[in-house]
Amino acid sequence: DVKVTQSSRYLVKRTGEKVFLECVQDMDHENMFWYRQDPGLGLRLIYFSYDVKMKEKGDIPEGYSVSREKKERFSLILESASTNQTSMYLCASKAQGRSYEQYFGPGTRLTVT
Amino acid sequence: AQSVTQPDIHITVSEGASLELRCNYSYGATPYLFWYVQSPGQGLQLLLKYFSGDTLVQGIKGFEAEFKRSQSSFNLRKPSVHWSDAAEYFCAVDNYGQNFVFGPGTRLSVLP
Repeated sequence: DVKVTQSSRYLVKRTGEKVFLECVQDMDHENMFWYRQDPGLGLRLIYFSYDVKMKEKGDIPEGYSVSREKKERFSLILESASTNQTSMYLCASKAQGRSYEQYFGPGTRLTVT
Repeated sequence: AQSVTQPDIHITVSEGASLELRCNYSYGATPYLFWYVQSPGQGLQLLLKYFSGDTLVQGIKGFEAEFKRSQSSFNLRKPSVHWSDAAEYFCAVDNYGQNFVFGPGTRLSVLP
């Protein structure tokens, strides 16, 4: 079974803190994604990566950065957390090719106070 | 730009009743389409996908979906809903192999 794990299920941080969200997949997938999910807005893509050290901006990259130093790991970084970044963050991975589905982790619920 | 709409934000059905969740997409080429389900507090799980062949596709948990190119639709159906189907459902289209575009989701409530 494909497994996508996220470092924390729940996280509480203070405004201005630097926050790291880690995602690891065990299926040697080329593509990895970070989304945030908010009620009524569905899933919005923050960043994605199609190879090690490669990254592409999604729809809402402002206030976020990412790192992919190894194929299995994709990190989301909030350089200076703000209250409007309180959200559910979902990581996903996918094999290369259009017919393959994305596999999701369980999510990290981040609260910034 | 590619887009996916799910016209129903929230649907309530009685247990045992049939279900249809609507999905419409806008895409410039042959679409690769997916339906996911998200149970409370969980990540998303794939129900089914379509990219070619028979326009009626079967998925897990007794779900099926029908692709209708003329209507740009990919509606999800289930003949008899179970209480455990209460969840949020997302339709998605592959974006030229780069990423997915997701719809806003439909929340399903099931009455006993």
